[in-house]
Amino acid sequence: GAVVSQHPSWVICKSGTSVKIECRSLDFQATTMFWYRQFPKQSLMLMATSNEGSKATYEQGVEKDKFLINHASLTLSTLTVTSAHPEDSSFYICSAARTSNTQYFGPGTRLTVL
Amino acid sequence: TQLLEQSPQFLSIQEGENLTVYCNSSSVFSSLQWYRQEPGEGPVLLVTVVTGGEVKKLKRLTFQFGDARKDSSLHITAAQPGDTGLYLCAGPYSGGGADGLTFGKGTHLIIQP
Repeated sequence: GAVVSQHPSWVICKSGTSVKIECRSLDFQATTMFWYRQFPKQSLMLMATSNEGSKATYEQGVEKDKFLINHASLTLSTLTVTSAHPEDSSFYICSAARTSNTQYFGPGTRLTVL
Repeated sequence: TQLLEQSPQFLSIQEGENLTVYCNSSSVFSSLQWYRQEPGEGPVLLVTVVTGGEVKKLKRLTFQFGDARKDSSLHITAAQPGDTGLYLCAGPYSGGGADGLTFGKGTHLIIQP
């Protein structure tokens, strides 16, 4: 149990376009979902926390208007990178938490902006 | 900001050797977690330690939480090539609730056959 999926697993886009990444908890309802970003050879950095039906909480330095998060249901959260630029190229990882507060991580999405 | 410092950053040893990697902080954590991450994949939880002084074993892996809950260690006995990966420690930003995690930079471990 406790499987989290992400789609797509990798995406290449042109500079200036928007990209949507989906995070789904497949076999449980997630009270909270988290979005992390990982640059090459770096660790995971928390970007934002989202709870179903409410606005996401963004970490300092993360632009909420650039990284749009929608958490429409207890099993789905989406991250949209708007007007993507090459510096947004990174590995985006989501996690989903149940009431036990244990986070289960998705397999990640590799974004490359040309 | 609660920072987690991991050491060493890189470690390459021969199969069969023992090793210990460390996770240190100046802050007290209510719990610490250890993850292993393969290239191009998300991190996979290995263990959560909650009580100061706690020791947990997972086959050849032994995890310890410091008495003051500011540090943790991971010891691997008789390392195997399958142990190769990035080992990350992480802790919650604050003491309770479904908080995001703060991660250390990780230890890149390579076990050579």
